[in-house]
Amino acid sequence: DAMVIQNPRYQVTQFGKPVTLSCSQTLNHNVMYWYQQKSSQAPKLLFHYYDKDFNNEADTPDNFQSRRPNTSFCFLDIRSPGLGDAAMYLCATSRDGGSYEQYFGPGTRLTVT
Amino acid sequence: GDSVTQMEGPVTLSEEAFLTINCTYTATGYPSLFWYVQYPGEGLQLLLKATKADDKGSNKGFEATYRKETTSFHLEKGSVQVSDSAVYFCALKGNQGGKLIFGQGTELSVKP
Repeated sequence: DAMVIQNPRYQVTQFGKPVTLSCSQTLNHNVMYWYQQKSSQAPKLLFHYYDKDFNNEADTPDNFQSRRPNTSFCFLDIRSPGLGDAAMYLCATSRDGGSYEQYFGPGTRLTVT
Repeated sequence: GDSVTQMEGPVTLSEEAFLTINCTYTATGYPSLFWYVQYPGEGLQLLLKATKADDKGSNKGFEATYRKETTSFHLEKGSVQVSDSAVYFCALKGNQGGKLIFGQGTELSVKP
């Protein structure tokens, strides 16, 4: 089945230690998104790629970076995680433009100790 | 800017009860509207969508109708099950880009 895969599902990192979360997709969608979701809240868009074009949200901290080496893969790098960065991180994909829906992965739960 | 407002939760129902979760939106033009469901510890799953006025989206017994005159997209199900317990998010996608605007989510708990 075509899908969005996130690894790992659970990640524990130490305060200030860089961490990378990964996302892959078999849908061949050209748009990929990263969201941060804290408990009992709606997902918050961090950034997205339209093909290779990177689009950062205005309020995304510089501590968060992303890479998209090819159509299938996208990475979220947190350079110096703080306690406030503990959250669920969701990857999503969609076809470009129009009314196409976004397809979400299962998420990575990040814990910062 | 565009926004989505959902009824506050949690909503607690008995099995086989009728469900309504209200959703209203503010947007320019003609947005597409979505309902997503999130089970505990998982990502969001698309439940249904509607792309133009008077469209009805339906899936797994859930329905929602795009009402432009009332700017609403209320989610309904005639008979809920325990397995429907989850958080439900209403969302819109405007004409000017792929960004999803989410409501705050409504937690549904169905008791046997």
